[in-house]
Amino acid sequence: DQQVKQNSPSLSVQEGRISILNCDYTNSMFDYFLWYKKYPAEGPTFLISISSIKDKNEDGRFTVFLNKSAKHLSLHIVPSQPGDSAVYFCAAHPNFGNEKLTFGTGTRLTIIP
Amino acid sequence: DAGVIQSPRHEVTEMGQEVTLRCKPISGHDYLFWYRQTMMRGLELLIYFNNNVPIDDSGMPEDRFSAKMPNASFSTLKIQPSEPRDSAVYFCASSLGWQGANYFGQGTRLTVV
Repeated sequence: DQQVKQNSPSLSVQEGRISILNCDYTNSMFDYFLWYKKYPAEGPTFLISISSIKDKNEDGRFTVFLNKSAKHLSLHIVPSQPGDSAVYFCAAHPNFGNEKLTFGTGTRLTIIP
Repeated sequence: DAGVIQSPRHEVTEMGQEVTLRCKPISGHDYLFWYRQTMMRGLELLIYFNNNVPIDDSGMPEDRFSAKMPNASFSTLKIQPSEPRDSAVYFCASSLGWQGANYFGQGTRLTVV
C-alpha cells in the first residue's frame, strides 16, 4: 500500500520556467512533509520541509505548498535551472514522535536548456 | 563535517555469502536509519536507531538481515546468507531529533550473483 504517491514518474521543463512536482498521500496522520533531491550515484539530499500547521514554506527558488484537505503537496521551483535536473522524492512523517519517514517513488525532473 | 560515510560504495558477492555494510553517521546526530532502494519498491526504511538503540525494525525483510549500532559513530547492516533479490542500493542516513531531516550517505550498491 503506497501511502505517499508521486504519480508523475517524469517531468520536462524549459530552463527559466516553473517546475511543479506533485505528491499525494493517503494517511491522515501524516503531519510533517519533506522534499528530497537525488542525483545519480548519490544519496538523497534534503531540500525543504513543511509542517501541517502551515500551508506554504519558501526557501529561495523552492516553495512547498500543502493542502491538507486534499492530502496533496507540491514543490515549485522557479526559475528552473539545469542543475535542478534530478529525481525528487516527497516524504512524510506520521504523527508526532514517530520517526519513520515514508517516501514516494520519485519524479525525474529534466530541465531543458 | 564530512557527512554520512558509507562503505563499501560497491559490493559484488556470490549468493550465500555474508555481506556487511558499514555506516558512520554525522557526529552529534542521535538517529540513524538504514534504507533500501529498488526499482520495484522505491526507497524503503529497513530499521532505525535512536541513541544507538534499535527502535523499529519492522522494515527488515527477513531474518537474514540484521543491524547493529555498537556506538554513536558506527553501524552495520548484515545480510547472511545473501540472495540475488537482495541486490539494491542501501542507504544509511542520520538526523538530529525525530523531526530532523535525514542526511543520507552516498549508498552502497550491492549486487548478489
